Amino acid sequence: QQQVKQSPQSLIVQKGGISIINCAYENTAFDYFPWYQQFPGKGPALLIAIRPDVSEKKEGRFTISFNKSAKQFSLHIMDSQPGDSATYFCAASYGQNFVFGPGTRLSVLP
Amino acid sequence: DGGITQSPKYLFRKEGQNVTLSCEQNLNHDAMYWYRQDPGQGLRLIYYSQIVNDFQKGDIAEGYSVSREKKESFPLTVTSAQKNPTAFYLCASSMPRYTDTQYFGPGTRLTVL
Repeated sequence: QQQVKQSPQSLIVQKGGISIINCAYENTAFDYFPWYQQFPGKGPALLIAIRPDVSEKKEGRFTISFNKSAKQFSLHIMDSQPGDSATYFCAASYGQNFVFGPGTRLSVLP
Repeated sequence: DGGITQSPKYLFRKEGQNVTLSCEQNLNHDAMYWYRQDPGQGLRLIYYSQIVNDFQKGDIAEGYSVSREKKESFPLTVTSAQKNPTAFYLCASSMPRYTDTQYFGPGTRLTVL
């Protein structure tokens, strides 16, 4: 119940395309869903986050879509750029219980 | 300049040796965490501390030890009992009273020779 599933494991997108990464969870106690971006050899950095009382949150080219009934949420990166090439982690938490997905390695081709 | 610092960035250890990884934060955060990251895998929680002089085991605490004597410091010791210590270690902190977000340091890459 504590697991967060994430797909795909890796993703290759052309510059200007849309990158979509999906996550799913089981524990309905989770009430905070952040996405982190990690470049090689660096620590993860918070990208965008959402709470289950909204279905969508947009910040620049990054959008989280949240489906509470399906217990799924996804990250959409519009107009993907080579600089977006990184590993993306979804996470789910309640209180101090933080569970991370296994990550998606995104490569954006120039 | 606020943030989380980890040192050293790279660390090499011989088998059988204990080694301590440093994590310092000047964000005035109450909670601190240690994660382990293996290639192509997600983050696994080693230990966390919500308050000074108190800490809890995470999912993979065996072979590790921590201390929290000061609010801003949360060192991690990788002991010789840890059978496969080569990994990327990440420290994080948060302020649970105000936000659920965890903020990460730059990481320490430990290699056992």
